[in-house]
Amino acid sequence: ILNVEQSPQSLHVQEGDSTNFTCSFPSSNFYALHWYRWETAKSPEALFVMTLNGDEKKKGRISATLNTKEGYSYLYIKGSQPEDSATYLCAFIRNSGYALNFGKGTSLLVTP
Amino acid sequence: DAGVIQSPRHEVTEMGQEVTLRCKPISGHDYLFWYRQTMMRGLELLIYFNNNVPIDDSGMPEDRFSAKMPNASFSTLKIQPSEPRDSAVYFCASSLVEAGLRDTQYFGPGTRLTVL
Repeated sequence: ILNVEQSPQSLHVQEGDSTNFTCSFPSSNFYALHWYRWETAKSPEALFVMTLNGDEKKKGRISATLNTKEGYSYLYIKGSQPEDSATYLCAFIRNSGYALNFGKGTSLLVTP
Repeated sequence: DAGVIQSPRHEVTEMGQEVTLRCKPISGHDYLFWYRQTMMRGLELLIYFNNNVPIDDSGMPEDRFSAKMPNASFSTLKIQPSEPRDSAVYFCASSLVEAGLRDTQYFGPGTRLTVL
């Protein structure tokens, strides 16, 4: 089992605030990194799949960056809205075994 | 497409009983994954298949758990005999074959299993 750490564990922001959180993973044998958004009582929903060092992906107000050399990825949310409230999970895949290892997630609460 | 379909959505059973969870992946997806979510351990990969063949089952907790994929449109996860510590939400997910594990996974709604 590989250590995939996400921080902070939880976050509470006001509507309109921009926020970011971190996924840390082993820097060796990198294959891919996935970001998911998971609302309570629903299924995880894919946000991004990142594969190359320096990758930057964007979907609406949400964006992510990837640094495979130092083993971290940032997820940014610009102008948070209450509907952004969810748990954001990252999953690391290494190039041997190809198993997905999920972090415990960052739980985001956006209040009006 | 209806997305990944799982059944049942909820299952309550007694310790010692056999439990079978079912999954229908998105048509055309050749990868199928079984996950378990618990408060203690978060989301864990149990096993995944490529073209109906199990590729990595290192996440399967013990011999009481088994998974099969008899054809491209159906998979089962079986627990026999079930124990209270198996209580969890079990998710199935599928993805396209072209990019393998670099492709987006689509999750089903999950099966909430309670073993009394």
